[in-house]
Amino acid sequence: DQQVKQNSPSLSVQEGRISILNCDYTNSMFDYFLWYKKYPAEGPTFLISISSIKDKNEDGRFTVFLNKSAKHLSLHIVPSQPGDSAVYFCAASRGGNEKLTFGTGTRLTIIP
Amino acid sequence: DSGVTQTPKHLITATGQRVTLRCSPRSGDLSVYWYQQSLDQGLQFLIQYYNGEERAKGNILERFSAQQFPDLHSELNLSSLELGDSALYFCASSLPSYGYTFGSGTRLTVV
Repeated sequence: DQQVKQNSPSLSVQEGRISILNCDYTNSMFDYFLWYKKYPAEGPTFLISISSIKDKNEDGRFTVFLNKSAKHLSLHIVPSQPGDSAVYFCAASRGGNEKLTFGTGTRLTIIP
Repeated sequence: DSGVTQTPKHLITATGQRVTLRCSPRSGDLSVYWYQQSLDQGLQFLIQYYNGEERAKGNILERFSAQQFPDLHSELNLSSLELGDSALYFCASSLPSYGYTFGSGTRLTVV
């Protein structure tokens, strides 16, 4: 039972344009959502998070949007840079320090 | 350096063997989580320890076990290894009100 889904295994975006990564979840008990970035041979690195009391959180070039009614969140990266090429994982939890349930990841490639 | 240390970085072993993966959490973090990432898969939660006590269990096989010691480091023991156990094993630690921090992982190859 995949409670967190990232339906796009890969995405290619031109440098300077906007990258939009999507994530859907099924468990309505999730109230905290995170995005992680992962390079090969490294552990996931925290990018940005959002709690269910908000619908948007912004940090520099990264913005996460949460649509609770649709059980959908998205990560916007603008402008996209070559160093953004990595695998991005969406994760969700019930509470901020409970176990995370991860999606299967989206491989983002930024084309120079 | 995330502050979470995992050893060894790479491990190659034969089927049927037993291995121990070690994790030292970030200083002050009380919770340790173990995750498994198989090829092209997301990270699957295995088990969580909080201040020495098991707190939550995920899809952890009976052949796998873990513990957290008084100094808060944790070990994940994998026994009767099968080819399908080949994966990246990540440890993460956290402190209440702060987020997760992941280690760089142990790549286990079972041959």
